[in-house]
Amino acid sequence: GNSVTQMEGPVTLSEEAFLTINCTYTATGYPSLFWYVQYPGEGLQLLLKATKADDKGSNKGFEATYRKETTSFHLEKGSVQVSDSAVYFCALIAHLSAGGTSYGKLTFGQGTILTVHP
Amino acid sequence: DTGVSQDPRHKITKRGQNVTFRCDPISEHNRLYWYRQTLGQGPEFLTYFQNEAQLEKSRLLSDRFSAERPKGSFSTLEIQRTEQGDSAMYLCASSPTPSAHTIYFGEGSWLTVV
Repeated sequence: GNSVTQMEGPVTLSEEAFLTINCTYTATGYPSLFWYVQYPGEGLQLLLKATKADDKGSNKGFEATYRKETTSFHLEKGSVQVSDSAVYFCALIAHLSAGGTSYGKLTFGQGTILTVHP
Repeated sequence: DTGVSQDPRHKITKRGQNVTFRCDPISEHNRLYWYRQTLGQGPEFLTYFQNEAQLEKSRLLSDRFSAERPKGSFSTLEIQRTEQGDSAMYLCASSPTPSAHTIYFGEGSWLTVV
């Protein structure tokens, strides 16, 4: 089956620190990988995605590279801000064929709480 | 485009009562999904509609749960004879065909069963 494992939190950082949140996955077929963010009291928002091996997704200073050899999709940001405080979810959609599409049945990790202090 | 809308946002009910949640997807999105999220966990897939057809149901969706999308627009999720274990946030999401990657989530409906 498909599964996603994230590093356990919570993660607490000072503003401008470097952030890494580890994510590894197990999937049948050809997964697309995602990072979602959930701010307090809000729904999930797509942060970035990568659809094939070696792709790098990036958005708002966050980056993650699809590493097929290590089945990983670690989230990084060079300098975090207080406004980045949120819960971060790694997720995948498993496609049946390379380059294929399927509907949005996402498998999520358990989430990592990030708190950034001034 | 007003986003995915869910109602109610919060619901407290007594054990054994029935509850219904409504989801209005982004207009013209023909794919609609329900997920459930418990505290400290990531969302778990419950069910998926393509227009009005319910094409997949998770084993998490027991016989007490039923979802409908009668006209291929809004959807309802009903839980009958609620149990304390049903306490969770119920998330609705929608996406256009054929993109499987552009999935928009609503803000969720919190259910507390007392």
